[in-house]
Amino acid sequence: QQQVKQSPQSLIVQKGGISIINCAYENTAFDYFPWYQQFPGKGPALLIAIRPDVSEKKEGRFTISFNKSAKQFSLHIMDSQPGDSATYFCAARISGGYNKLIFGAGTRLAVHP
Amino acid sequence: DADVTQTPRNRITKTGKRIMLECSQTKGHDRMYWYRQDPGLGLRLIYYSFDVKDINKGEISDGYSVSRQAQAKFSLSLESAIPNQTALYFCATSDSGSGETNYGYTFGSGTRLTVV
Repeated sequence: QQQVKQSPQSLIVQKGGISIINCAYENTAFDYFPWYQQFPGKGPALLIAIRPDVSEKKEGRFTISFNKSAKQFSLHIMDSQPGDSATYFCAARISGGYNKLIFGAGTRLAVHP
Repeated sequence: DADVTQTPRNRITKTGKRIMLECSQTKGHDRMYWYRQDPGLGLRLIYYSFDVKDINKGEISDGYSVSRQAQAKFSLSLESAIPNQTALYFCATSDSGSGETNYGYTFGSGTRLTVV
């Protein structure tokens, strides 16, 4: 079964701290791993993404670490800010050209001042 | 105006009623998707379409149907709504070109559906 397992379900971090969200998958037919950020009342928005032939990708304070052999990937938010408080979804794209995404269950992040 | 517009934003309906959720986009994307969001379950794919003539079932299509009326419009119908279809529904679009910039989804703001 095609699944992406995400943890933790919720996370509280102090301002300036590092937020870490983890995802794991079993299906090797995934070829692209994006992260989406969702604010209340809004649809998810693409935050950052990585291909499986890359071990790390950084964009500003956001970094994806990818471990192909362990079938795990994680999102690190450095210097977390209250404005980062949102729900984060990891996802994996099924290879084959259809651009279908399988999403994790989501992590609700709260960054306290 | 939003790139992906969903209507209605909120809807309360009774068990057994037929209801249609609508989605329109100005992105010019040919791929459109309907997802359902439930707490603790994330986003699950209901249906997806790559053009007007192409409709495909996702992982949870039972109880739902769709119509791609035009490249820009993709509607989701619940033929006979039941309470466990109470959820937040999202429409999304993506481009068909190659390259990572085209893989990303653009989501609408969602429709909150309550079936009583």
